[in-house]
Amino acid sequence: DARVTQTPRDKVTEMGQEVTMRCQPILGHNTVFWYRQTMMQGLELLAYFRNRAPLDDSGMPKDRFSAEMPDATLATLKIQPSEPRDSAVYFCASGLTLGQAHKVNYGYTFGSGTRLTVV
Amino acid sequence: AQKITQTQPGMFVQEKEAVTLDCTYDTSDQSYGLFWYKQPSSGEMIFLIYQGSYDEQNATEGRYSLNFQKARKSANLVISASQLGDSAMYFCAMREGTGRRALTFGSGTRLQVQP
Repeated sequence: DARVTQTPRDKVTEMGQEVTMRCQPILGHNTVFWYRQTMMQGLELLAYFRNRAPLDDSGMPKDRFSAEMPDATLATLKIQPSEPRDSAVYFCASGLTLGQAHKVNYGYTFGSGTRLTVV
Repeated sequence: AQKITQTQPGMFVQEKEAVTLDCTYDTSDQSYGLFWYKQPSSGEMIFLIYQGSYDEQNATEGRYSLNFQKARKSANLVISASQLGDSAMYFCAMREGTGRRALTFGSGTRLQVQP
């Protein structure tokens, strides 16, 4: 089965350090999302790319977070500087969206997540 | 207003019985898709089932079926013949047809299957 690969699986870092999370989407998928999951807020969308172009990053704190897709096989999410409130599980998901093909089931596949703890 | 509402924080069901997890949604789009994901204690998000707003029949995938009532804006997940491995968090999500194509998730329902 095709998988979305996220690294690292777990990350513990000190407040103020830079954190980089990586995601390898499924080959051929043109849409990549970053979600954050916390007990308090649930699953929140941070950023959304289609064909490597950022379409929506309104859910991301711009002063410290950045998301990029340097190529079709790699998406990155960076936090600099990290803060304890950033502690969460960060999921990458990929899928295929084709314009107005709403009828088609293009379910999104999630990676296993990166559990980030900022102390 | 909440786009996706899951009113059951937790549910219990006996093994081999059926269970319905509720989900209501709010959208003004005519085209949209509804999804259910399962998140076991290991943390991964597993896609279960999809229903498109234009689909006339309820979606089914093995033991999972989606009870889609468009007029009531509900998309309840029905799990038949529950198994111990079904114990997990279940999330309902919606993708709206215009603008953003990202999924908006509900708060989830924790299902516990008892032997």
